[in-house]
Amino acid sequence: DSGVTQTPKHLITATGQRVTLRCSPRSGDLSVYWYQQSLDQGLQFLIQYYNGEERAKGNILERFSAQQFPDLHSELNLSSLELGDSALYFCASSYLGTSGSLVGELFFGEGSRLTVL
Amino acid sequence: AQKVTQAQTEISVVEKEDVTLDCVYETRDTTYYLFWYKQPPSGELVFLIRRNSFDEQNEISGRYSWNFQKSTSSFNFTITASQVVDSAVYFCALSEGFLYNFNKFYFGSGTKLNVKP
Repeated sequence: DSGVTQTPKHLITATGQRVTLRCSPRSGDLSVYWYQQSLDQGLQFLIQYYNGEERAKGNILERFSAQQFPDLHSELNLSSLELGDSALYFCASSYLGTSGSLVGELFFGEGSRLTVL
Repeated sequence: AQKVTQAQTEISVVEKEDVTLDCVYETRDTTYYLFWYKQPPSGELVFLIRRNSFDEQNEISGRYSWNFQKSTSSFNFTITASQVVDSAVYFCALSEGFLYNFNKFYFGSGTKLNVKP
């Protein structure tokens, strides 16, 4: 158990719909990352938050948005869903020191598997 | 250019064979971290090892060993006497950017290891 909690574990929805994926980082971790893994693909970095602020952005579509709340949990919102959005979405957390430097590795949640029909 | 290259897409070995997974990275930073993660068929991402750029000592953990060579920008992973349970996708990752008060993670495309009985 990595200590990172993601909900829901599985989600099936239709094209055009909107879904929200939730992530609770490990206790004490200030940074949250979101990754997308399509079938038999690698991990595509979407976005990173640190202590409530957006820190880095990857190949995140405009239809997707995320935020990190004061209690440090994060939500990834996916809207106007398309078939190609079907994927495993991972949240990861890490502890960043006061200088913003990485102190440890990324701890991944079990992922949220999204199926768009 | 790819930050992390895992040229081996898929490797198949017979149980008890040794196998080496290659990882080549690219960075201009002097301070960076390298990682290996394992993704078994169940889908979760399991952290295996972290290595910082100042520590070129090879590491051994049971049947696993890692060879870090800055001269060739490689961080290879060897499994000795492979077992069926080692069957998984293995990801190499690089984290850099500490000097600029942020850090990004870059993952390779993964190597799928099939260990046959």
